[in-house]
Amino acid sequence: KAGVTQTPRYLIKTRGQQVTLSCSPISGHRSVSWYQQTPGQGLQFLFEYFSETQRNKGNFPGRFSGRQFSNSRSEMNVSTLELGDSALYLCASSLERGGPDTQYFGPGTRLTVL
Amino acid sequence: QKEVEQNSGPLSVPEGAIASLNCTYSDRGSQSFFWYRQYSGKSPELIMSIYSNGDKEDGRFTAQLNKASQYVSLLIRDSQPSDSATYLCAVNKGGSSNTGKLIFGQGTTLQVKP
Repeated sequence: KAGVTQTPRYLIKTRGQQVTLSCSPISGHRSVSWYQQTPGQGLQFLFEYFSETQRNKGNFPGRFSGRQFSNSRSEMNVSTLELGDSALYLCASSLERGGPDTQYFGPGTRLTVL
Repeated sequence: QKEVEQNSGPLSVPEGAIASLNCTYSDRGSQSFFWYRQYSGKSPELIMSIYSNGDKEDGRFTAQLNKASQYVSLLIRDSQPSDSATYLCAVNKGGSSNTGKLIFGQGTTLQVKP
């Protein structure tokens, strides 16, 4: 079974621009979570989507948004990029069986903001 | 106090030794616990999940959970140089408000010396 895929793998943007990142979960997985990883803050939860609905959101500004499509694929968008948004953005998928579910991570998108 | 705490290390062990990685968490109601391994420049890879008090073994890896002490650990037996990586402890606090949300520690860097 194919793993979680993320595109693009690398991005370079300038301050003020916006960016869209894409995530395709493992086949059959219905929940997609997004995380930001930086050297200073570590891995931090951004939001989680299930059945095209955002179920949970972390403590990030409104510039960070996302959505999920009917095939469970998800996108996240960051508007008005800031230098501090440079990070590895990871998505993770899980089955969502109603109990504690293991999350499997994609390879990540490394975003550099200049 | 951070919600999930790990010693950042580095933890250095000789090849063939047992590596012991520790993690404490602050929310007594936390329900599920995970260990991920992350090689430099790569995304986190699941090693173990544990939900009940006690030990859970998988090959050379043993996860231990003590909810009374709010403590989870990972033992790696017969450590190999290929085990050199950062080990991330992750906790899900449970409940609908935490669905899909993992809280990560800062990670412990393990170095296995030949």
